[in-house]
Amino acid sequence: GAVVSQHPSRVICKSGTSVKIECRSLDFQATTMFWYRQFPKQSLMLMATSNEGSKATYEQGVEKDKFLINHASLTLSTLTVTSAHPEDSSFYICSAGTEQETQYFGPGTRLLVL
Amino acid sequence: AQTVTQSQPEMSVQEAETVTLSCTYDTSESDYYLFWYKQPPSRQMILVIRQEAYKQQNATENRFSVNFQKAAKSFSLKISDSQLGDAAMYFCAYTNYGQNFVFGPGTRLSVLP
Repeated sequence: GAVVSQHPSRVICKSGTSVKIECRSLDFQATTMFWYRQFPKQSLMLMATSNEGSKATYEQGVEKDKFLINHASLTLSTLTVTSAHPEDSSFYICSAGTEQETQYFGPGTRLLVL
Repeated sequence: AQTVTQSQPEMSVQEAETVTLSCTYDTSESDYYLFWYKQPPSRQMILVIRQEAYKQQNATENRFSVNFQKAAKSFSLKISDSQLGDAAMYFCAYTNYGQNFVFGPGTRLSVLP
């Protein structure tokens, strides 16, 4: 149990385009979903926290207009990187939280902006 | 603010041997959760073990066990009978009720055949 999927696993796009990443909890309902960014050989950096039906809470320094988060249901959250630029290239990971304060992670999305 | 420290950037262990990864944290709370996550080269974060602070008994999951010292704010992970598949980055994490995770910087574990 506690499986989280993330799609796509890899995406290459041109500068200026928008990219949407989906995160789904497959066998449980997530009270909260989280979006992280991970640079090479570094720990996870929390970007935002979202609860179903409410606006996401962004961490300091994360542009909410740049990284749009929609949490449409208890099993689906999406992250849209708008007008992507090469500096947005990174590894993005979502996680879904349970009532037992545990987070289960998706497999991640590698974004490359040309 | 809570912080999590992993003082060993890299560790290595011989296959079938035992290794201990260190983690210390800082918090003023009395009730919280601690976790160890593993991130292999695939970069999928995998939950290894979980400890509730109010439980005195150390958590165990097969070959993985923790040494939770609440007063010292220490939460080390012991891997017994190490296997090649244990090679990964290991992250220690802390959370309080309803709060976000705080991750340590990670320890890269190599398993030598």
